[in-house]
Amino acid sequence: DVKVTQSSRYLVKRTGEKVFLECVQDMDHENMFWYRQDPGLGLRLIYFSYDVKMKEKGDIPEGYSVSREKKERFSLILESASTNQTSMYLCASTDRGPNNEQFFGPGTRLTVL
Amino acid sequence: QKEVEQDPGPLSVPEGAIVSLNCTYSNSAFQYFMWYRQYSRKGPELLMYTYSSGNKEDGRFTAQVDKSSKYISLFIRDSQPSDSATYLCAMSPGGSYIPTFGRGTSLIVHP
Repeated sequence: DVKVTQSSRYLVKRTGEKVFLECVQDMDHENMFWYRQDPGLGLRLIYFSYDVKMKEKGDIPEGYSVSREKKERFSLILESASTNQTSMYLCASTDRGPNNEQFFGPGTRLTVL
Repeated sequence: QKEVEQDPGPLSVPEGAIVSLNCTYSNSAFQYFMWYRQYSRKGPELLMYTYSSGNKEDGRFTAQVDKSSKYISLFIRDSQPSDSATYLCAMSPGGSYIPTFGRGTSLIVHP
């Protein structure tokens, strides 16, 4: 059974804190993604990675960075959390096949106070 | 104009109704079309996948793609309260593994 796990389901942080969101997949997928999901705005791509140590900016990378030191793990970092980063964060992975099915984790609901 | 347009709803229907969910798009390069279902407080999961034009059926679900009109649909027959969820369309060009998602339509099926 394929699986994408995220380190926390709910997280509350204070403005200015450094925040780490971790994602692990057990499917040996090359590609991994971080999205945020907000009401009325849908899924927005923050960063993606197509290989270890490789990363590409998505549509809204400002205020975020990522790290991929191992194939199965993709971390999202908020260097200095702000209230407008309160959101649902979803990690996903895909293989290199043509059908592009994305396997999603359960999401992390981050609240920045 | 967004590349993929999807009415956010909510769409409220009685149990047993036929549901039609739709997306329009502007990028003629899209070849892969997907529907994801997302239950409350969960991540999306793939429901249906179609390549190019045509219909695909899986149980109570039918996905339809009309590339000439740049319009895709998901039909749900005999809808159940357990179908209550947000449905996201997604599509990508050939050679790309990065889909473009619609904003999602919230569906409520009431008993």
